[in-house]
Amino acid sequence: AQSVAQPEDQVNVAEGNPLTVKCTYSVSGNPYLFWYVQYPNRGLQFLLKYITGDNLVKGSYGFEAEFNKSQTSFHLKKPSALVSDSALYFCAVRDPGGNAGNMLTFGGGTRLMVKP
Amino acid sequence: KAGVTQTPRYLIKTRGQQVTLSCSPISGHRSVSWYQQTPGQGLQFLFEYFSETQRNKGNFPGRFSGRQFSNSRSEMNVSTLELGDSALYLCASSPPGPIYEQYFGPGTRLTVT
Repeated sequence: AQSVAQPEDQVNVAEGNPLTVKCTYSVSGNPYLFWYVQYPNRGLQFLLKYITGDNLVKGSYGFEAEFNKSQTSFHLKKPSALVSDSALYFCAVRDPGGNAGNMLTFGGGTRLMVKP
Repeated sequence: KAGVTQTPRYLIKTRGQQVTLSCSPISGHRSVSWYQQTPGQGLQFLFEYFSETQRNKGNFPGRFSGRQFSNSRSEMNVSTLELGDSALYLCASSPPGPIYEQYFGPGTRLTVT
């Protein structure tokens, strides 16, 4: 069974500084990996995904993520944080097997706090 | 295009009652998935429907059920509500294709008293 770990419950960063939100995964086969963001009282918004190809994936709102197969990691990054980036971030993995459909397994979430 | 819509947005029920939540996917999306979000357990997959058939089911008791209609709209039902069923229930839809991201609705906040 697949699993996702987000080791930090909260990440604090000053506005303008780079940010990293960590994610490691466990899945048999080649993973399909996703990042979502959740603002208060809202559903999840898709940020980016890795399916295959270039290990550096660029997504919405200036976010990017680096896939590292040897470390089974998919860390989310942004070169310069904004106060408006403050939200709850979820990493998710989809089983590449044909029977899994669209089922996503989520990490526990990391709260990002960007201070002015 | 309109996004995923969920009704109602907020619901308060009493233990032992049953509840039905509704989800309308994005036009053209045939896959609908449901997730439960709680502070303690995080985001957990409930089930997925594709072309009116349940394609996958998470590890939830039989009190949780769902269905999908021919227009891809989906409903989930929880019978004999328990306090622990209080959660944000999220619906997500995906377009046809092998590896597409899911688009989430705003959720239904269910409170069981």
